[in-house]
Amino acid sequence: DSGVTQTPKHLITATGQRVTLRCSPRSGDLSVYWYQQSLDQGLQFLIQYYNGEERAKGNILERFSAQQFPDLHSELNLSSLELGDSALYFCASGPGANVLTFGAGSRLTVL
Amino acid sequence: AQRVTQPEKLLSVFKGAPVELKCNYSYSGSPELFWYVQYSRQRLQLLLRHISRESIKGFTADLNKGETSFHLKKPFAQEEDSAMYYCALKSNTGNQFYFGTGTSLTVIP
Repeated sequence: DSGVTQTPKHLITATGQRVTLRCSPRSGDLSVYWYQQSLDQGLQFLIQYYNGEERAKGNILERFSAQQFPDLHSELNLSSLELGDSALYFCASGPGANVLTFGAGSRLTVL
Repeated sequence: AQRVTQPEKLLSVFKGAPVELKCNYSYSGSPELFWYVQYSRQRLQLLLRHISRESIKGFTADLNKGETSFHLKKPFAQEEDSAMYYCALKSNTGNQFYFGTGTSLTVIP
């Protein structure tokens, strides 16, 4: 097990709804990264947190937000969902040993 | 600006043939380069990193600063190499990672 835990594994919801994805980083890692993986866009960086503070922002939509809590777990909130938001959302933590460790992902399906 | 480019979205080779997955980068400094692999239905995992200069599962990658490339190579492809491969760059400030769009490798039996 890589130590990065993501829940839920699968989520099916309707357009216009809001969902929250959760990530627990590997023990000792202070950084959490969120990525969106879709067939046509590859792996898109969304946002990075370090020890509770936002460190970097990528291609994250305004409808999306994230935070990292004092216990270092992180949540990615996706609101006003659209069909195009269907994707696999990965959380990674690091950099332990200077590399990223990925979770198994949360597969979001918007109908 | 930092950028990682993987020009091939799809790559198919026959088993036993050599394979090269291309990766080019742009970065104004000394980057750290990585290759991550995602096998079917599995999470992304680190394959190799340039500073280790090691061969993992028969794959090697050499950082060419002159050509700003970090191509992944294997002399004899195996069916189990079929996967999605991502090239990644880590900045030396802020611990940020930038990924390419990935190359899906299919090894044909």
